[in-house]
Amino acid sequence: EDKVVQSPLSLVVHEGDTVTLNCSYEVTNFRSLLWYKQEKKAPTFLFMLTSSGIEKKSGRLSSILDKKELFSILNITATQTGDSAVYLCAVSFLDSNYQLIWGAGTKLIIKP
Amino acid sequence: NAGVTQTPKFQVLKTGQSMTLQCAQDMNHEYMSWYRQDPGMGLRLIHYSVGAGITDQGEVPNGYNVSRSTTEDFPLRLLSAAPSQTSVYFCASTPIDRVNYGYTFGSGTRLTVV
Repeated sequence: EDKVVQSPLSLVVHEGDTVTLNCSYEVTNFRSLLWYKQEKKAPTFLFMLTSSGIEKKSGRLSSILDKKELFSILNITATQTGDSAVYLCAVSFLDSNYQLIWGAGTKLIIKP
Repeated sequence: NAGVTQTPKFQVLKTGQSMTLQCAQDMNHEYMSWYRQDPGMGLRLIHYSVGAGITDQGEVPNGYNVSRSTTEDFPLRLLSAAPSQTSVYFCASTPIDRVNYGYTFGSGTRLTVV
């Protein structure tokens, strides 16, 4: 059965800390891994990763994929209270253009 | 503002009642979908559509119907609400050539069935 597992489920850090969120997957016909940020309501897109070892970066956020060990990490440096959110990862498939399998998310709380 | 609009934001239903969750987008996206989000679980796909007149089932379609008569609208119908359908529902859309990433989500509908 295809599955996506995120860890930790929740994390509380202080402003300025660096955090690493994990997403591991066991799927057949992997196409890409996606990261989303969900604040109060709608998830918003962060990154799409398809190739191992190539870091995607946006400001203080970065992410990398390891297709051999089947996981991705999302790093946030110099965290701010505005980074508080649930971070979701999802996997898409080569043999299905329309289905994504989502992890349960990591709830990140940044304390001032 | 351009985007995906969902209504209502909150709804309480009694078991057995029916209702329709509305979703509209003004970005001319071909692909639209409905997800439900439950505590401790990932988003799960209910139904999706790749264009007007075309719909298909996702991972958890039972108890829900959809139709797509226009590009803009993709309503989700609960035929006979059950407590197991208590959840937060999200509508998402994307251009068909970006269907594996870059979804735009609506702000969600929190549904409680009592």
